[in-house]
Amino acid sequence: DSGVTQTPKHLITATGQRVTLRCSPRSGDLSVYWYQQSLDQGLQFLIQYYNGEERAKGNILERFSAQQFPDLHSELNLSSLELGDSALYFCASSVGLGDRYTGELFFGEGSRLTVL
Amino acid sequence: GENVEQHPSTLSVQEGDSAVIKCTYSDSASNYFPWYKQELGKGPQLIIDIRSNVGEKKDQRIAVTLNKTAKHFSLHITETQPEDSAVYFCAALSLAGKSTFGDGTTLTVKP
Repeated sequence: DSGVTQTPKHLITATGQRVTLRCSPRSGDLSVYWYQQSLDQGLQFLIQYYNGEERAKGNILERFSAQQFPDLHSELNLSSLELGDSALYFCASSVGLGDRYTGELFFGEGSRLTVL
Repeated sequence: GENVEQHPSTLSVQEGDSAVIKCTYSDSASNYFPWYKQELGKGPQLIIDIRSNVGEKKDQRIAVTLNKTAKHFSLHITETQPEDSAVYFCAALSLAGKSTFGDGTTLTVKP
């Protein structure tokens, strides 16, 4: 158990809809990362937050947005869903910065999104 | 930005044989190179890592080597077991703190 919690584990929805994926980082971790893993694909970095602020952005579509709340949990919002958005969405957390930061990411078990 | 290439994409070995997965990176300033194992239905989990000031690191049956000059690093698994079957990802961490992952290697260990 990595200590990172993601909900929901599975989600089935229709094209054009909007969904929200939620992530609770490990206790004490300030950084949250979102990754997308499509079928037989690698981990595509979407976005990173550190202590509530956006820190880095990857290949995140304009239809997607995220935020990190004061209690450090994060939400990834996916709107106007398309068939190609079907994927596993992983959240990871790390200490973020400072002496305790080793570079290691702790991943949740993912949210599997299916768009029909 | 950083670019990480990983080979092979699939690898099948007999139980007891060794497995080697190789990665190259582009940003010479990257300084941390972890390897993650992803079992079916689970998130990736760190199995071993190496920093840029070290050439080799071992942990029981797994080892990682780093060649900074050539900008490549490799994962070595000896005496493979069926439970080693999984997807393995390499990654490189840049000074800006961003982790870039390779595309993954699906390792199958046949009993």
